[in-house]
Amino acid sequence: NAGVTQTPKFQVLKTGQSMTLQCAQDMNHEYMSWYRQDPGMGLRLIHYSVGAGITDQGEVPNGYNVSRSTTEDFPLRLLSAAPSQTSVYFCASTNSDRGDTQYFGPGTRLTVL
Amino acid sequence: AQSVSQHNHHVILSEAASLELGCNYSYGGTVNLFWYVQYPGQHLQLLLKYFSGDPLVKGIKGFEAEFIKSKFSFNLRKPSVQWSDTAEYFCAVESSNTGKLIFGQGTTLQVKP
Repeated sequence: NAGVTQTPKFQVLKTGQSMTLQCAQDMNHEYMSWYRQDPGMGLRLIHYSVGAGITDQGEVPNGYNVSRSTTEDFPLRLLSAAPSQTSVYFCASTNSDRGDTQYFGPGTRLTVL
Repeated sequence: AQSVSQHNHHVILSEAASLELGCNYSYGGTVNLFWYVQYPGQHLQLLLKYFSGDPLVKGIKGFEAEFIKSKFSFNLRKPSVQWSDTAEYFCAVESSNTGKLIFGQGTTLQVKP
């Protein structure tokens, strides 16, 4: 049972490039989320999904796209990277959206030059 | 809008000192409350949570938190900290209506041996 996995661990992009951050979980959780962590700002919700085929926006969705074609995978796409997207990105999953523990992946540290 | 505020951004303590980290939230409805911890180089993990019942919640590693509904607070406490408690601590609030989890800015705790 690997839990929540994320790839890559580190990435450097140039402004305007696109890329996909991968997230997978093997716990059969319905709910998955993407957060970004910035110093002094805690974790901010980017997008989340309550099940395959269903996604919704969080606090800071601009510049990011998501899709959920399977229960296991929840990739985050940066369409045209900007320096403001330099951050550490965490994927999380949980069994329910009401009071259940969120399980976090190890994070992806992204730098946009 | 739902928000979470952690009053202390950086706390430095000596071993055996007592710890209290403040957390206040703004939301008028029913909430679930969490404290997560991020040890250096590791990903977030759950410290404790309040869902219902006894407002004094005990978590792992001797931590506890008290939910005071009238004060919209969920402060984290530990009577005697250890060097291994050095980490970043995040308070988080989940709205029972939306299921979205909102994090505070985080508090960095440094425990000196």
